[in-house]
Amino acid sequence: NAGVTQTPKFQVLKTGQSMTLQCAQDMNHNSMYWYRQDPGMGLRLIYYSASEGTTDKGEVPNGYNVSRLNKREFSLRLESAAPSQTSVYFCASSQGLAASQYFGPGTRLLVL
Amino acid sequence: AQTVTQSQPEMSVQEAETVTLSCTYDTSESDYYLFWYKQPPSRQMILVIRQEAYKQQNATENRFSVNFQKAAKSFSLKISDSQLGDAAMYFCAYRRTNGDDKIIFGKGTRLHILP
Repeated sequence: NAGVTQTPKFQVLKTGQSMTLQCAQDMNHNSMYWYRQDPGMGLRLIYYSASEGTTDKGEVPNGYNVSRLNKREFSLRLESAAPSQTSVYFCASSQGLAASQYFGPGTRLLVL
Repeated sequence: AQTVTQSQPEMSVQEAETVTLSCTYDTSESDYYLFWYKQPPSRQMILVIRQEAYKQQNATENRFSVNFQKAAKSFSLKISDSQLGDAAMYFCAYRRTNGDDKIIFGKGTRLHILP
């Protein structure tokens, strides 16, 4: 039981490049989330998916797209990376409104 | 809109002593959940404790306990017998029970443990 996994762990991009961050969970959770964490800002929600086939915007969705490929996988895509997207990205999952979120180990992204 | 405020960016406590981290939140909802998460240097986010707003009894998990004051919209975390492994960022979080599925996080408090 791996919990929530994220790939890659670290990535360097040049401005304008695109990439997809992958997230998968093996806990059969309905809900999945993408956050970014910047110094002094805490965690900010980018997008979330309450169930397979649905996605909703969070607090900071601009510059990102997501895909809920199936119940297990929820990917985050940067179409044209910008230096302002340099951050640590966390994926999380939960089962139901009462449940706590389980987090992946994070992806450190540097955009030059 | 709901907000979560942690007014202490950093705190320090002597090993074996007790420390309290503050959190206040703003909501018009009557039923919701509150959480404390710990993020050690490894970056992994770990759930410490959870409180359901409709429960008057304060949640406790071993050395960790909360002081939930619903009327004051306050949710503080008390760590007893502090250990070196407690050094981390601590995030307070809020989740409503009806409506959308989002959790709102505070900006965190960095806790240092002094040997």
